[in-house]
Amino acid sequence: GIQVEQSPPDLILQEGANSTLRCNFSDSVNNLQWFHQNPWGQLINLFYIPSGTKQNGRLSATTVATERYSLLYISSSQTTDSGVYFCAATYYGNNRLAFGKGNQVVVIP
Amino acid sequence: EPEVTQTPSHQVTQMGQEVILRCVPISNHLYFYWYRQILGQKVEFLVSFYNNEISEKSEIFDDQFSVERPDGSNFTLKIRSTKLEDSAMYFCASSKPTTGGEQFFGPGTRLTVL
Repeated sequence: GIQVEQSPPDLILQEGANSTLRCNFSDSVNNLQWFHQNPWGQLINLFYIPSGTKQNGRLSATTVATERYSLLYISSSQTTDSGVYFCAATYYGNNRLAFGKGNQVVVIP
Repeated sequence: EPEVTQTPSHQVTQMGQEVILRCVPISNHLYFYWYRQILGQKVEFLVSFYNNEISEKSEIFDDQFSVERPDGSNFTLKIRSTKLEDSAMYFCASSKPTTGGEQFFGPGTRLTVL
């Protein structure tokens, strides 16, 4: 199956800093999603981005499908951005999302 | 905004007991999924369901597990004879009937097997 690798595994940020999270995937994808897992364990949809660039407030994401990677940008980080960010993808022919191990982000005031 | 709902939010059971986890997918979605996340690990696919039958399942989804759409709104995961290692967060998700469509996740059911 498809392999999804995320980096860095852990990141500590000062409030107000910017950061970039990376997701590499091993095959052509027809779905690429970014999630934020909050302290209660809920998976919050951030982006559905199999290709191209999207922005939502202080967050933006870019997927370069031909080079098999996606980036999540967090600008002007806030303490509420803390948590685990997951990248997940499906490849053509099926609908099972394969998740990466996540990026653990801690934003300190 | 429509959302996936799950009940219960927490379930504690004794080893060997059967549990049923319930989900109400988004109403115009036709693909349904179950995933699980063991504490501290990544989220793993269990099964997908479309047109009243299983469309894909992982190697985790063995004879201990079953899924059902008992009516027009609910989607259930049954775990027979629970084991300690079944303790995990179980997520239900749904998507529109397109391959590669965006999947929307419920808040999860935290299952603890004692």
